Amino acid sequence: DQQVKQNSPSLSVQEGRISILNCDYTNSMFDYFLWYKKYPAEGPTFLISISSIKDKNEDGRFTVFLNKSAKHLSLHIVPSQPGDSAVYFCAARITGTASKLTFGTGTRLQVTL
Amino acid sequence: DTGVSQDPRHKITKRGQNVTFRCDPISEHNRLYWYRQTLGQGPEFLTYFQNEAQLEKSRLLSDRFSAERPKGSFSTLEIQRTEQGDSAMYLCASSEGSGNTIYFGEGSWLTVV
Repeated sequence: DQQVKQNSPSLSVQEGRISILNCDYTNSMFDYFLWYKKYPAEGPTFLISISSIKDKNEDGRFTVFLNKSAKHLSLHIVPSQPGDSAVYFCAARITGTASKLTFGTGTRLQVTL
Repeated sequence: DTGVSQDPRHKITKRGQNVTFRCDPISEHNRLYWYRQTLGQGPEFLTYFQNEAQLEKSRLLSDRFSAERPKGSFSTLEIQRTEQGDSAMYLCASSEGSGNTIYFGEGSWLTVV
């Protein structure tokens, strides 16, 4: 039962354009969401997070949007840079579960020149 | 470097052998997690410690797996009688007691031949 879903396995975007990565979840108990970036053979690196009491959080080029009614969140990267090419994982947790995270299967972003 | 440190980074072992991985969390992080990631999947939760106490174990953690954190600092994950299905990246992560974000190490790749 995949409670966190990233339905696009890959995405290709031109340098300078916006990258939009999507994530859907099924468990309404999730109340905190995170995005991680992963390069091959390395561990995930934390990017940005959002609490369920907010609908938007911004950090530099990265913005995460949360639509609780649709159980959907998205990560926007503007402008996209070649160094952003990596696999992006969406993760979710439930309050009281000590930050145990449930991950999606990831979206591979390729930023082309 | 004060990030999460894992050792060894790569391990190739024959089926049936035992392997042990070590994790040193970020200083003063009292929570420590082990995750496993296989190809094409997101990280999956294995187990979690608060200080030296192991508070939760996933059903993914069979009897052949044991994790310890004897002094509430570093942790070890041992896999006994390895099987080919154990081949994966084993990720360690840590967080502050009240923190929502967990920070991952670079992972330990296990290949069972």
